[in-house]
Amino acid sequence: QKEVEQDPGPLSVPEGAIVSLNCTYSNSAFQYFMWYRQYSRKGPELLMYTYSSGNKEDGRFTAQVDKSSKYISLFIRDSQPSDSATYLCAMIPNDYKLSFGAGTTVTVRA
Amino acid sequence: GAVVSQHPSWVICKSGTSVKIECRSLDFQATTMFWYRQFPKQSLMLMATSNEGSKATYEQGVEKDKFLINHASLTLSTLTVTSAHPEDSSFYICSAYSYEQYFGPGTRLTVT
Repeated sequence: QKEVEQDPGPLSVPEGAIVSLNCTYSNSAFQYFMWYRQYSRKGPELLMYTYSSGNKEDGRFTAQVDKSSKYISLFIRDSQPSDSATYLCAMIPNDYKLSFGAGTTVTVRA
Repeated sequence: GAVVSQHPSWVICKSGTSVKIECRSLDFQATTMFWYRQFPKQSLMLMATSNEGSKATYEQGVEKDKFLINHASLTLSTLTVTSAHPEDSSFYICSAYSYEQYFGPGTRLTVT
């Protein structure tokens, strides 16, 4: 079993829809949770960073963490074609070695 | 924000040759850099952790003699793929750590 599970999709939504992404994990030692966005043939860029259970908002993005269920989510409101990318969840325990999910490919149709 | 560069961005080499990839932190110092490999439509897999002035720590299953890592300064780490083979063709991404990991744009290696 992988430490971090993420449905690779692909996920296709119309412009303006809410995009819902999620990951589950098995390692209780994970303390910090991140979402990265990766455009084709580019390096990942950090979108959201959380370390506690609950919600965190940043513009159109909301990250949720439920440590009791070992489940994290990312929601993108009012999605735009420019949001089309692969979204990777990542998490770390007490050090800084990231464990990544497989990534979900999202296409927002104009 | 912090910027990490990689050079080259794309390289094609013949089987049996060696290729060096550079990773630079442009506006900050990084005592730790990471090297990842990403196959098409797959996630990033950590290959090794590189600490300035010391030997790299390789993840299980990564051949240290094949993937030579040198972290000569606080702003530069290099990955050399020795005796490259077609199965080494992949997207190699580095990151530099300064309170968080900042990723480079990646290097696409194609071995013919």
